[in-house]
Amino acid sequence: DAKTTQPNSMESNEEEPVHLPCNHSTISGTDYIHWYRQLPSQGPEYVIHGLTSNVNNRMASLAIAEDRKSSTLILHRATLRDAAVYYCILRAPFNAGNNRKLIWGLGTSLAVNP
Amino acid sequence: DTGVSQDPRHKITKRGQNVTFRCDPISEHNRLYWYRQTLGQGPEFLTYFQNEAQLEKSRLLSDRFSAERPKGSFSTLEIQRTEQGDSAMYLCASSSRDPVNVNEQFFGPGTRLTVL
Repeated sequence: DAKTTQPNSMESNEEEPVHLPCNHSTISGTDYIHWYRQLPSQGPEYVIHGLTSNVNNRMASLAIAEDRKSSTLILHRATLRDAAVYYCILRAPFNAGNNRKLIWGLGTSLAVNP
Repeated sequence: DTGVSQDPRHKITKRGQNVTFRCDPISEHNRLYWYRQTLGQGPEFLTYFQNEAQLEKSRLLSDRFSAERPKGSFSTLEIQRTEQGDSAMYLCASSSRDPVNVNEQFFGPGTRLTVL
């Protein structure tokens, strides 16, 4: 499985944009890029995913490099509730039985200062 | 609340005892996943069900672990003869067959197991 590299931790100020980087230099042409986050003492929460094009949803934006070897999760205005561990995950096209299992790394712990 | 639920939320047991956890996925989600997470690490995939069929088991799932989803709805994860190394958060996730949402996994709050 292709791996991702993320900074261990990052810090941001409330109401400022946050750019969370992820390197995935061994990504294959069919791997999807997923982002999940995990708030303290909670299960992970889906944030966004993409394949080649940049993606936007109500939570965040995902910017994917042209060569797909890196991506950036963008939180447009950080709030205190965005303090969490953010995981960048590569997912191979589904295996037999539509298995879309996720292979997780260590993630980036984001602190948001008031 | 119509999210994924897990029971119990916390379990403390003595080494050698058997434990069973339950996961109730979002109604009509046909795909169900179990993951295990230890402190400071990301979750690790354990097993996957599509409806009642268990289609993949990780090598992490030793013979002491068994999972079932008998009617394609709730699932159970049993650990026999628990060991201290089994102490972890056990997470359940489900996803829809809906092509629009099929890539999104919805996670429960987890069951935290402590083996003394």
